[in-house]
Amino acid sequence: GDSVTQMEGPVTLSEEAFLTINCTYTATGYPSLFWYVQYPGEGLQLLLKATKADDKGSNKGFEATYRKETTSFHLEKGSVQVSDSAVYFCALSRSDYKLSFGAGTTVTVRA
Amino acid sequence: GAVVSQHPSWVICKSGTSVKIECRSLDFQATTMFWYRQFPKQSLMLMATSNEGSKATYEQGVEKDKFLINHASLTLSTLTVTSAHPEDSSFYICSASMLAGGEQYFGPGTRLTVT
Repeated sequence: GDSVTQMEGPVTLSEEAFLTINCTYTATGYPSLFWYVQYPGEGLQLLLKATKADDKGSNKGFEATYRKETTSFHLEKGSVQVSDSAVYFCALSRSDYKLSFGAGTTVTVRA
Repeated sequence: GAVVSQHPSWVICKSGTSVKIECRSLDFQATTMFWYRQFPKQSLMLMATSNEGSKATYEQGVEKDKFLINHASLTLSTLTVTSAHPEDSSFYICSASMLAGGEQYFGPGTRLTVT
């Protein structure tokens, strides 16, 4: 079945540091890939997505590129802020639109 | 826009009782709603998908008689955990989408503790 594996946290960074969260997936066919973010006390929000190989999703300074050859969708941000502290979830969906999530990575950014 | 609320945000109930969790789309009509369960430090696991006016479709391994889902209107879905046991303690999250296959908007979740 489909599965998503993302790097375990927690991740603690200083402001303006570079952030990478690794995500790899297993799926048949050509899934769509997503990153969701959950800020404290709030529901998950879609951060970015990519629907086909080599697509790059970007939003709020975050980027992720759909790499079919490595079945990966790593999340990156060049300079994090305290407000980026959250839990980040990698996810995929196939033609039935159901989402399969990774375990989530908690990121804490310190001033 | 696209706000989804859940009520209650947390609930404690005694073993053997039933508890109902509501999921509402506040500013849009939701064709489809989803219910997830999240264990500590684990991913969200899809429990069921519900379409307004239809019976819910449950994922493999989810007991439909234990987790009753009702999607009676385009803005409300309810999850009732019947005869709750301590192993049902978890974080339950709903999401809603306007269109089949459209973006899912997530509620903030409900923490259920069964004593």
